Amino acid sequence: SQQGEEDPQALSIQEGENATMNCSYKTSINNLQWYRQNSGRGLVHLILIRSNEREKHSGRLRVTLDTSKKSSSLLITASRAADTASYFCATDAWNNAGNMLTFGGGTRLMVKP
Amino acid sequence: DSGVTQTPKHLITATGQRVTLRCSPRSGDLSVYWYQQSLDQGLQFLIQYYNGEERAKGNILERFSAQQFPDLHSELNLSSLELGDSALYFCASSVAAYNEQFFGPGTRLTVL
Repeated sequence: SQQGEEDPQALSIQEGENATMNCSYKTSINNLQWYRQNSGRGLVHLILIRSNEREKHSGRLRVTLDTSKKSSSLLITASRAADTASYFCATDAWNNAGNMLTFGGGTRLMVKP
Repeated sequence: DSGVTQTPKHLITATGQRVTLRCSPRSGDLSVYWYQQSLDQGLQFLIQYYNGEERAKGNILERFSAQQFPDLHSELNLSSLELGDSALYFCASSVAAYNEQFFGPGTRLTVL
């Protein structure tokens, strides 16, 4: 089952605009990770934010985490056509003696030149 | 390039057959994870190994099994294949639990 639900499912913007994607989840987590996937290809790790962190930046990416609301957001500033991809949030949580990522359904971002 | 390698890239086989997917983690990573991505189920966790031992199990079918070898590479074995097993299978690795998981390029399995 998918713990994370992402909103919107699809987003189309013009180059230079900002893109915001939201993710909600249901259970306690250790951290939340965001990934990018170009059509049918591998997942590229973007950023990890731990449950005791509220905000994190990496280049043009800004991630926030609100554990009280069980939600996270990914902001891509000054978007480029090359940012066109699907973006997934994944919650990292305990599973028996190990851990696992539970993915949301993803947001399909299209950046028009 | 994440440093995680997977072979083969593509695999086409028939129903009822058995296949083996291989994964080499990033240098120094002890933890290996397997995920399945399909159109109807999305990305789902299958199983985790840490330094040769099974640690976590997800929605992995009994027809599927995995192992991690002493050199830390891992194999995912899929048997009695069905049409519904057609999917992208990803391997990911991390240095330890609750760290970044880096994904390989995936193996696209097509069952005809």
